[in-house]
Amino acid sequence: NAGVMQNPRHLVRRRGQEARLRCSPMKGHSHVYWYRQLPEEGLKFMVYLQKENIIDESGMPKERFSAEFPKEGPSILRIQQVVRGDSAAYFCASSPRDSQNGYTFGSGTRLTVV
Amino acid sequence: QKEVEQDPGPLSVPEGAIVSLNCTYSNSAFQYFMWYRQYSRKGPELLMYTYSSGNKEDGRFTAQVDKSSKYISLFIRDSQPSDSATYLCAMSPGGNKLVFGAGTILRVKS
Repeated sequence: NAGVMQNPRHLVRRRGQEARLRCSPMKGHSHVYWYRQLPEEGLKFMVYLQKENIIDESGMPKERFSAEFPKEGPSILRIQQVVRGDSAAYFCASSPRDSQNGYTFGSGTRLTVV
Repeated sequence: QKEVEQDPGPLSVPEGAIVSLNCTYSNSAFQYFMWYRQYSRKGPELLMYTYSSGNKEDGRFTAQVDKSSKYISLFIRDSQPSDSATYLCAMSPGGNKLVFGAGTILRVKS
């Protein structure tokens, strides 16, 4: 049973380009979470999704960032017109249901904006 | 003031030592408390989960929660070089949004 799969592991984008980060949850998990980790900082919540629904996006920047979790396929975190401040590690996690006792993280996508 | 405060370290100890890692928090609504371990360039791995106050033990790891003091701890007995990692505390009032500390870097020297 594969864990939470994120790809790509590393992504380099020039300022102004778009970044697409993908996350396939663990088998049987229907809830997906995205977190961002800046250097020497803890993980910051971005968004919580279920299939075809955004449940909580209170941590998402108001502009340029969007997330989806379609009925088929992986969850996508999309960053438009990237800026240097978007450089960070983006982690996806999944759980089988509303999970108040932690969830399983993927290995992350490290985005570098040059 | 951050909702969750955690000393970033690094904390350096000899092999076999008892390690104490701590977090303080300000939000009295937090009910669920977790410790994650993160190796370099990897995702966080759940180590311990505790609901409300009290202790929980799992092998060499013991988690303590003192809600009256808004203080949580993770103890590692007989520390090993393989325990060298960043340890993140995380907590939640309920629901699905975790609030993380900044992480403490632990180095166990052989």
